[in-house]
Formats: sequence, structure tokens, C-alpha cells
Amino acid sequence: SQTIHQWPATLVQPVGSPLSLECTVEGTSNPNLYWYRQAAGRGLQLLFYSVGIGQISSEVPQNLSASRPQDRQFILSSKKLLLSDSGFYLCAAAQAIRGYTFGSGTRLTVV
Amino acid sequence: AQTVTQSQPEMSVQEAETVTLSCTYDTSESDYYLFWYKQPPSRQMILVIRQEAYKQQNATENRFSVNFQKAAKSFSLKISDSQLGDAAMYFCAYRSAIPGIQGAQKLVFGQGTRLTINP
Repeated sequence: SQTIHQWPATLVQPVGSPLSLECTVEGTSNPNLYWYRQAAGRGLQLLFYSVGIGQISSEVPQNLSASRPQDRQFILSSKKLLLSDSGFYLCAAAQAIRGYTFGSGTRLTVV
Repeated sequence: AQTVTQSQPEMSVQEAETVTLSCTYDTSESDYYLFWYKQPPSRQMILVIRQEAYKQQNATENRFSVNFQKAAKSFSLKISDSQLGDAAMYFCAYRSAIPGIQGAQKLVFGQGTRLTINP
């Protein structure tokens, strides 16, 4: 079955520090990959999606970037974090047959 | 662009009773998928039920069923015999094609409904 590993589970970072969140997928090949952000008590906002290695599309302008160096690896990054980057970040994978699978998420607090 | 609206930020129901969560969406597509996801306090996203737009029959999964009204673009979730473990945030989602990229799609989510179960 399709499984997503996402880490770390929680992260506290000072303003201006860099960020790297990693997501890896098992049990599938060539999935569509997604990064979502969820503000407290709100819905999920799509940040980035990728349909293949090196192919990244951004949904909203922001302080973050994404990369897909391998088929089943998706990385969310920032060079300098802002307070507004705080939130809950979810990685997701989709493949036509298997549908969508979500990671367990990373709670990021920027202080 | 596709949008999903959940007009009930919070709902509560007595244990063993039935509750219905509302969802409407906007799309110009004729073939699409709709989903309900549950997010408990652990924040793990759990698929509750899925509906293909071309199917007229409403999807059912045990105590969970949907009322899919395609013309009205409405997709409500009914939870029967509510249990304490049903307490969670519930998100309605629409699977949208990504223009210009064959086979690519994304999920568009509503703002969620927080469901409380009263014992």
C-alpha cells in the first residue's frame, strides 16, 4: 500500500532561520506529490504540487519553495522563516489507482 | 476555479443520533470526484467516503453516507448512530484537474466542520 513518511513531527524555529521538511513515499511510483498548509482551525491550502522529478508548481506566492530531487521525495524549504510561516504542513501523494494518501504532518512554530 | 464551501464551522450531536454535514462546490467540469475526510486530534487525514460524479447512486460506507445532488452541486455527509470516536474536523474536498498537465489533479478543500459528539 502507499505510505508517506513525513518528518519531523514538530519543529520550533526562530524567525530568519532556514527550513527543510522532507516527505518520502513508499509503495508507488511516479505519484503526484503535494504540500498543504493548515492554519489553526482552518482548511488545507495547497502550496505546491509536483507531477514528476524536478517539476514543481506553486499555487500561492509565498516565502517557501519546494523541490523533488527523486521520484518519491518531496522537500519543502525556506531560506528565512517568517512568523506567518507557522502552521501544520501536510505532504500528500496521489496516484490514479490508489487515490490520495496523507503524511502525519509537521507542526511548525516560528518564534 | 473550483471552490468548496462548508457553511457549518461547528456541529454537535448526541451520541447514537444522526447528523448531517453540508458541503457545496462550484465547478464547470462534468466528471469529477468528491471526498469527505476526517481529521481527528492526531491531525491525520482519514478518507471517510468518496463519490464519483458520474454515479447517480449515493456512496455509503457503514454508518457514513452521502447525499449527492449534482445539479445543485451539493455533497452532504450523513453520520448515523454517532459515536464518540466520530468527533473530529470533517473536510469536504473536490478533485480538480490541473489544466495543461494530462493526468494531474489536486484536491481542493473546504474550510472544515468541527463535529462534537455529546455523550
